[in-house]
Amino acid sequence: AQKVTQAQTEISVVEKEDVTLDCVYETRDTTYYLFWYKQPPSGELVFLIRRNSFDEQNEISGRYSWNFQKSTSSFNFTITASQVVDSAVYFCALSVNTNAGKSTFGDGTTLTVKP
Amino acid sequence: EPEVTQTPSHQVTQMGQEVILRCVPISNHLYFYWYRQILGQKVEFLVSFYNNEISEKSEIFDDQFSVERPDGSNFTLKIRSTKLEDSAMYFCASSDFREAGELFFGEGSRLTVL
Repeated sequence: AQKVTQAQTEISVVEKEDVTLDCVYETRDTTYYLFWYKQPPSGELVFLIRRNSFDEQNEISGRYSWNFQKSTSSFNFTITASQVVDSAVYFCALSVNTNAGKSTFGDGTTLTVKP
Repeated sequence: EPEVTQTPSHQVTQMGQEVILRCVPISNHLYFYWYRQILGQKVEFLVSFYNNEISEKSEIFDDQFSVERPDGSNFTLKIRSTKLEDSAMYFCASSDFREAGELFFGEGSRLTVL
């Protein structure tokens, strides 16, 4: 069985601060995918990134960066110079190759960025 | 940009009533999914659908739930006799086999059971 743990329930920062959202996963499968989604107050799920288990390269996209470390089963997400519009619930998710669309989500981290 | 569309955006129903939630996946996608999110909680997998049949379902997806793709474009989730605990946001998603694992979610249908 798969499990995703987002230990941080809520984080509050002041605009322009950097913030890191933690994600730890568990799976016995050797082929798997990791995701981050953003859920703004409007409720939709916005895909941010997908990583497969064979690609440990870190990725940067604008103010967003992701640190994938298989050794610690972590896939952490950093927002640099946070903005008020970053306020949302962020979900980390995991799926395995046998049913790649069946994702196990973490409980989510609510990020509040104050002006 | 192609997107997954869901209707209705919000439905209020009485306990015991049947509800059908509709989804139009991205046209060239082959895999379809329903997820559920009870207010303030995590997103949970309900069912996956491929080649006109259920490929996997969770323990949440009991006999009260069914899915079908009646006309090659719509993908529906039916709840036969709604319960209070069915109140949630229901998300439809689809994916392209070539990009296995990347889900495209609709904006969700909020179901309120009174």
